[in-house]
Amino acid sequence: KAGVTQTPRYLIKTRGQQVTLSCSPISGHRSVSWYQQTPGQGLQFLFEYFSETQRNKGNFPGRFSGRQFSNSRSEMNVSTLELGDSALYLCASSQTGTGYADGYTFGSGTRLTVV
Amino acid sequence: LAKTTQPISMDSYEGQEVNITCSHNNIATNDYITWYQQFPSQGPRFIIQGYKTKVTNEVASLFIPADRKSSTLSLPRVSLSDTAVYYCLVGEGNYGGSQGNLIFGKGTKLSVKP
Repeated sequence: KAGVTQTPRYLIKTRGQQVTLSCSPISGHRSVSWYQQTPGQGLQFLFEYFSETQRNKGNFPGRFSGRQFSNSRSEMNVSTLELGDSALYLCASSQTGTGYADGYTFGSGTRLTVV
Repeated sequence: LAKTTQPISMDSYEGQEVNITCSHNNIATNDYITWYQQFPSQGPRFIIQGYKTKVTNEVASLFIPADRKSSTLSLPRVSLSDTAVYYCLVGEGNYGGSQGNLIFGKGTKLSVKP
């Protein structure tokens, strides 16, 4: 079956711009989580959506937002981009969102570079 | 969520068995132990998960002692392609808490040499 698909794979943006990243979970999975990975901070949780509702949110500024559609596809948006937002953004899906018990499947990520 | 401690890095040679131990002294009754593998510029990949005793799948084994304060991921006969970062995570399972929020530590960077 198809895995978690993230688009685009690479993105270059200028400071001050905004960006939207997309994630299509595995068919049947209703939970989608987003993570930011940088060399300095490692993998950090952004937020999680389940059945179109944000269920959990990490410690990131309001410039980072997301949403989930009725088909479970999710988007995350970053407004007023800063150089420090350069990172690999990862999306993970699971059937129920109880990933500690049944494991999460991650996409290959979107590499965002802010110049 | 219980904090985990793992070695920062480990070296091994092809064909050897590698054991990576993770310490989680504050593990709670409801917590599961999960291991992920990550290659550069890719998302983490779920390897194995356990609650107690021993779990084995086609990729690895997970050993969990009775007190559950630590766990050991065992990779049999590693190859060069096993060079990656391995993360140990501890968190709640099907008990309604901490949905979606996986806490990744620094992980263990395993380097397999020929």
